[in-house]
Amino acid sequence: KAGVTQTPRYLIKTRGQQVTLSCSPISGHRSVSWYQQTPGQGLQFLFEYFSETQRNKGNFPGRFSGRQFSNSRSEMNVSTLELGDSALYLCASRTSGASTDTQYFGPGTRLTVL
Amino acid sequence: DAKTTQPTSMDCAEGRAANLPCNHSTISGNEYVYWYRQIHSQGPQYIIHGLKNNETNEMASLIITEDRKSSTLILPHATLRDTAVYYCIVRVAYSGYALNFGKGTSLLVTP
Repeated sequence: KAGVTQTPRYLIKTRGQQVTLSCSPISGHRSVSWYQQTPGQGLQFLFEYFSETQRNKGNFPGRFSGRQFSNSRSEMNVSTLELGDSALYLCASRTSGASTDTQYFGPGTRLTVL
Repeated sequence: DAKTTQPTSMDCAEGRAANLPCNHSTISGNEYVYWYRQIHSQGPQYIIHGLKNNETNEMASLIITEDRKSSTLILPHATLRDTAVYYCIVRVAYSGYALNFGKGTSLLVTP
């Protein structure tokens, strides 16, 4: 079974632009979560989507948003990019809403904001 | 979710067992212990999880103390490819799902 895939793998943007990142979960997985990883803050939870609904949200500004499609694929969007948004953005999927599901991560998208 | 404490770094010789400790003294009865690892610049990789019984899979063993206040991840025969940051996470079983990774332990396996 294919793992979680994320596109693009690398991205360079300039301040003020917006960016959209894509995540395809493992087949059959209905939950998708997004995380941001930076050297200073480590891995931080952004939000989780399940059956096209945002179920949980981390402490990030409204510039960070996401959505999930009926096929469980998810996108996250960051508007008005800032230098501090440079990070590795990770997507993770799990089977369903069961709390004991294991979360599997993709390889990430490395975003650089200049 | 309960707070975890892990050593910042550890070394292990190749072929030997790597024992990574985690303290979670405030863990609640319904909180699970999860272990993930992250090899440099890759996505975190799930290793193992447990509630109160010891668990073993093809990658590792998880030993949880009887009072559940601490646990140990054991890699029985460490290889160079096991060099990574290892995260111990405790989380309660509820519908919202966010993993709090903390700082983790940087394990260096040496030849």
